[in-house]
Amino acid sequence: KAGVTQTPRYLIKTRGQQVTLSCSPISGHRSVSWYQQTPGQGLQFLFEYFSETQRNKGNFPGRFSGRQFSNSRSEMNVSTLELGDSALYLCASSLFPGQGSSYEQYFGPGTRLTVT
Amino acid sequence: DAKTTQPNSMESNEEEPVHLPCNHSTISGTDYIHWYRQLPSQGPEYVIHGLTSNVNNRMASLAIAEDRKSSTLILHRATLRDAAVYYCILRDGVGSSYKLIFGSGTRLLVRP
Repeated sequence: KAGVTQTPRYLIKTRGQQVTLSCSPISGHRSVSWYQQTPGQGLQFLFEYFSETQRNKGNFPGRFSGRQFSNSRSEMNVSTLELGDSALYLCASSLFPGQGSSYEQYFGPGTRLTVT
Repeated sequence: DAKTTQPNSMESNEEEPVHLPCNHSTISGTDYIHWYRQLPSQGPEYVIHGLTSNVNNRMASLAIAEDRKSSTLILHRATLRDAAVYYCILRDGVGSSYKLIFGSGTRLLVRP
């Protein structure tokens, strides 16, 4: 079974631009979460989606947004990029929340975003 | 969100057991204890999780203190491949959210 895939793997953008990152979950997984990893702040939760609905949101400004499609694929968008947005953006997929779930999350390799 | 405290780094010799401690003195009754690890240049990888009882799987064992204020991840025989950053995380079991709050983790160095 293929793992979580994220595209692109590397990206260089300029301050003020916007960027869209894509995540394809493991087949059959319906929940997708996004995390930002930086050397200074570590791994921070961004959002969580299930059945095209955002179920949870981390403490990030409104410039960070996301969505999930009916096939469970997810995208996240960052508008008006700042230097501090340079980070590794990780996507994780899971089966479904609720009774019986182990809540095990499977992470992708991440997208390395550099803002210059 | 309840927080966890872990040592910044630990060292172990290959083939020996490793005990990675985690303190979570403010844990609530609905918090699950999850462990993930992150190998170099990879995304985090699920290791194990538990609520109250000790847990075992093919990767590791999780020992949870009776008062649940601390836990220990046990790798029975460390290999070089186990060198990674290990994160102890509390997940709120109320509301069935997948949200994980990562701390700074413990960097494990395995000596050959």
